[in-house]
Amino acid sequence: EAGVTQSPTHLIKTRGQQATLRCSPISGHTSVYWYQQALGLGLQFLLWYDEGEERNRGNFPPRFSGRQFPNYSSELNVNALELEDSALYLCASSFRATGRDTEAFFGQGTRLTVV
Amino acid sequence: AQTVTQSQPEMSVQEAETVTLSCTYDTSESDYYLFWYKQPPSRQMILVIRQEAYKQQNATENRFSVNFQKAAKSFSLKISDSQLGDAAMYFCAYSGGGADGLTFGKGTHLIIQP
Repeated sequence: EAGVTQSPTHLIKTRGQQATLRCSPISGHTSVYWYQQALGLGLQFLLWYDEGEERNRGNFPPRFSGRQFPNYSSELNVNALELEDSALYLCASSFRATGRDTEAFFGQGTRLTVV
Repeated sequence: AQTVTQSQPEMSVQEAETVTLSCTYDTSESDYYLFWYKQPPSRQMILVIRQEAYKQQNATENRFSVNFQKAAKSFSLKISDSQLGDAAMYFCAYSGGGADGLTFGKGTHLIIQP
């Protein structure tokens, strides 16, 4: 069974540009979470999608957005890139909302570098 | 808001020895889940062990076990018979039910000395 896949593995963008990151959850999983892992800041919750809807977002500006498609894959868009957006972006999927009785499986992440 | 604190940025242990990683958390909830994740250089987060707050018995997975002290809001991870493959970043994480995802600590870098 395929795990959570993220693409691209690495992405280099110029300040002010837009970045699009993609995530394919494990088959059967409907919940997708996005996390930012910036150096020195640990992992921070970005967005939660479930059944095609944005359910919650973390403390990030509106230029961080995304969507979930009918096949439950998800896209994270970061507009007007800033240098501090450079980080590892991790996607996780679960059958239901994380915590109650299910496990979140993580992808290998997309390393975004803003120059 | 929930917070998770890992007070040990780095730990070092000899191969085959036992090491304990510390984690404390703060929450006003009574029902929640706690996790330890491992992140090797490959970057992929791997679930090591999980604990349901309503269960008094400490979780165990082979060489990995936890010491869950609910009143003290403490959740430490013990790794027995440390192996070279255990070297990684270890993150303690809290989940209250999904809406806010997982709240992570800043991690502990575990070094295994051969």
